[in-house]
Amino acid sequence: DARVTQTPRHKVTEMGQEVTMRCQPILGHNTVFWYRQTMMQGLELLAYFRNRAPLDDSGMPKDRFSAEMPDATLATLKIQPSEPRDSAVYFCATIGDTNTEAFFGQGTRLTVV
Amino acid sequence: GNSVTQMEGPVTLSEEAFLTINCTYTATGYPSLFWYVQYPGEGLQLLLKATKADDKGSNKGFEATYRKETTSFHLEKGSVQVSDSAVYFCALSDSGYSTLTFGKGTMLLVSP
Repeated sequence: DARVTQTPRHKVTEMGQEVTMRCQPILGHNTVFWYRQTMMQGLELLAYFRNRAPLDDSGMPKDRFSAEMPDATLATLKIQPSEPRDSAVYFCATIGDTNTEAFFGQGTRLTVV
Repeated sequence: GNSVTQMEGPVTLSEEAFLTINCTYTATGYPSLFWYVQYPGEGLQLLLKATKADDKGSNKGFEATYRKETTSFHLEKGSVQVSDSAVYFCALSDSGYSTLTFGKGTMLLVSP
C-alpha cells in the first residue's frame, strides 16, 4: 500500500530550537509539496519541488524556513529558530507523472512553546 | 493568480439530509478540479475529481460537476451519514500540476 510517510507525527519544542520535519514520497512520485495548516489560515502552500529541484518557495518565510530534497526518497522542512506562531500541522503531498491526484501524508503536528 | 472560494462552515445536518457545499474558483486556462476530505487527525484524501468542463466526478455517493460557465464545482450528496462528518476541501490545479490551490475547507457535522 503506497503512502507518503511523514516523521515525526508530533513535535513539541521550545521557542528558538531547530525543528526538522521529514517526508518520504511515494516511490516514483517526482512532485513534492509542503503545506501548513492552521485554523486561521487553512492550508498554505510553503514550497514545492519537481525532480528534486525547488520550483516555488514563495510561501515560506525565508529567514527561518528552508526546504530541501537531498535525494528522491526524502524531503525535509526545517525551521530555525522556531517561534510559537509556527505551531501548526505541516503536510507533505506528492504527485507522480501519471497521476492526477495528490497523495498526502498524515502530517506533523508542531507545537512551539 | 488561482483561487478557490468555498462556503464557510460548519455545516450541521441530520443523518439522511441532502448536502451541498458550494465552491467557486478563479483560474487561467483549463484547470482540473478536486474535492478532498480530511478526517480528524489525518491527512487529506481525494474524494473526487473532474478534469474538463461538464465532467461529473463521483465517489461514495458524493458528486460534483465542473461548470465552466459559472466557474463552480459544488459538492452534493443525497443522503449524508454520520461517518461523512469531516472537513471538505475544494481545490484546483493547473496543467502540469505546477500549483495545487485549496479553499479554506468546510467542516461538515452530521448528527444521528
